[in-house]
Amino acid sequence: NAGVTQTPKFRVLKTGQSMTLLCAQDMNHEYMYWYRQDPGMGLRLIHYSVGEGTTAKGEVPDGYNVSRLKKQNFLLGLESAAPSQTSVYFCASSPPSGGTSYEQYFGPGTRLTVT
Amino acid sequence: GNSVTQMEGPVTLSEEAFLTINCTYTATGYPSLFWYVQYPGEGLQLLLKATKADDKGSNKGFEATYRKETTSFHLEKGSVQVSDSAVYFCALSDRGRGAQKLVFGQGTRLTINP
Repeated sequence: NAGVTQTPKFRVLKTGQSMTLLCAQDMNHEYMYWYRQDPGMGLRLIHYSVGEGTTAKGEVPDGYNVSRLKKQNFLLGLESAAPSQTSVYFCASSPPSGGTSYEQYFGPGTRLTVT
Repeated sequence: GNSVTQMEGPVTLSEEAFLTINCTYTATGYPSLFWYVQYPGEGLQLLLKATKADDKGSNKGFEATYRKETTSFHLEKGSVQVSDSAVYFCALSDRGRGAQKLVFGQGTRLTINP
């Protein structure tokens, strides 16, 4: 099993450009998440999904859109990139549960720089 | 809202030293608590967890005890190794239905010198 994979690993964008980050998982997990990691701030939740065709906003959703057309994929889009979106983006997945003690499995990250 | 506060880093120790990384939290209800570790160039991976008061999580020589009375979940290891060099994140998870939402501390960078 590959676990959680992310594409691309690195990207440089100019202000105003758009791009899509792809996350894929092969563990048949229902739940998927997108986080951003900034120095001194830990990870913050951008959007998440509890199943195919569903998405919901996290802590910092502004400037991002997401889609979950297939269970194994979760896409994060930036329609008009801004320098404030320079960050490392992590995707994660977890099994379905009504509880909160389950492990989240993280991808290796995408380093995005917006100039 | 819920929050997690970790001790300021970076932390630099010599091999075989004792490690403590402090973590305190603010939460309504009874969250689950986690320590995640991020090795250089990699994503986060779960190190240990505790789901209720007085639970002790342990893994790879690391331990942390869920202390409700002090709202703390400090990470400890008796003898660190160079391979423990990484960034450590304390996190809590809201209880309830639906997807687990993790709230992370800011991370503590640990460097172990031989």
